[in-house]
Amino acid sequence: NAGVTQTPKFQVLKTGQSMTLQCAQDMNHEYMSWYRQDPGMGLRLIHYSVGAGITDQGEVPNGYNVSRSTTEDFPLRLLSAAPSQTSVYFCASSFQGTSGPYNEQFFGPGTRLTVL
Amino acid sequence: AQKVTQAQTEISVVEKEDVTLDCVYETRDTTYYLFWYKQPPSGELVFLIRRNSFDEQNEISGRYSWNFQKSTSSFNFTITASQVVDSAVYFCALSEETSGSRLTFGEGTQLTVNP
Repeated sequence: NAGVTQTPKFQVLKTGQSMTLQCAQDMNHEYMSWYRQDPGMGLRLIHYSVGAGITDQGEVPNGYNVSRSTTEDFPLRLLSAAPSQTSVYFCASSFQGTSGPYNEQFFGPGTRLTVL
Repeated sequence: AQKVTQAQTEISVVEKEDVTLDCVYETRDTTYYLFWYKQPPSGELVFLIRRNSFDEQNEISGRYSWNFQKSTSSFNFTITASQVVDSAVYFCALSEETSGSRLTFGEGTQLTVNP
């Protein structure tokens, strides 16, 4: 059971380039989300999904796209990278269970992205 | 709108001291959930505890304890007899019933335990 995996671990982009951060989980969790972590700002929600085919925006969605074609995968696309997107990105997942959608979220190891 | 405030940006203690990390939250929902996560220097996020708004009992787990007070909208975290391995960034987070699994995080508190 690998939990939540993210690739790549590190990435350097030039302004204007596009790329996809990969996230996968093998726990059959319905809920998946993407956060970015910036110094002094905690983690902020970018996009989230409550199941395959369903996505919604979080607090800071601009410049990012997501899709959820399978339960396991939830890729995050940067359309045209900007220096302001330099950050550490975390993917997370959780299951609904009997206590509803408020269970603990399991986080991946993170992707450190630098945009020059 | 939901908000979490961790006013202590950095705390430094000497090993074996007790330390309390403060967390104050804002929400309009009557049903909500509070969480604490630990982020050690290696960078991963580790779940510590979840508490729902209807359960105000304090909880103790080994050297860790949590004090939930709805009257002051606080969910404080105490480490007793701190150890060097407790050095990490600690995040408090909130999820409202109306927002499902969406978590709002505080800014985090950097705890350094010196030998």
